[in-house]
Amino acid sequence: DQQVKQNSPSLSVQEGRISILNCDYTNSMFDYFLWYKKYPAEGPTFLISISSIKDKNEDGRFTVFLNKSAKHLSLHIVPSQPGDSAVYFCAATPRAGGTSYGKLTFGQGTILTVHP
Amino acid sequence: EAGVVQSPRYKIIEKKQPVAFWCNPISGHNTLYWYLQNLGQGPELLIRYENEEAVDDSQLPKDRFSAERLKGVDSTLKIQPAELGDSAVYLCASTKDGSSYNEQFFGPGTRLTVL
Repeated sequence: DQQVKQNSPSLSVQEGRISILNCDYTNSMFDYFLWYKKYPAEGPTFLISISSIKDKNEDGRFTVFLNKSAKHLSLHIVPSQPGDSAVYFCAATPRAGGTSYGKLTFGQGTILTVHP
Repeated sequence: EAGVVQSPRYKIIEKKQPVAFWCNPISGHNTLYWYLQNLGQGPELLIRYENEEAVDDSQLPKDRFSAERLKGVDSTLKIQPAELGDSAVYLCASTKDGSSYNEQFFGPGTRLTVL
């Protein structure tokens, strides 16, 4: 079963506009969420994260929103730049305790293309 | 500071042959992860080490996959024998302390093609 889902395989946005990437999860034990960015032939790199005690976290052009009741999170990039073109993965990890603590479960990824 | 190092970057083998991947984590990182990434999917955890101890290997297909981290630093992942379905990217990641919400740093991966 896919516990973390990114239902949009791809997204195309004009430079300067907002990019919104979405992610849904099913496991209620998840309480920390991360976004990773991946360029071709490179490993994923950490972008931004959010704890379940918050509903928003901002870092420069990147903002992550968390809606716990809907089990949904989104990543907003404003303004989008051509260098943001990459694959974006959301990931989730459960609460403290147990062997699963710190274990990341990833979504399938969304390919973002920002056109100049 | 050097990142996570993996070798080889690419490997092509015939099915039923053995193959091994090597990973050197960031210096001082006690926790090491091996992930499998199939085309169009996100990374899936195969095994997690805390120092030299494998603390989560529930997703590792133990009939053909093995891993070791003998001195708690670098690690090797082996497949013997390889099958066509093993074609994927194998990612290694590390973090200072896997028992907290520390960022995982990923290596560039090894792309395996089994013919």
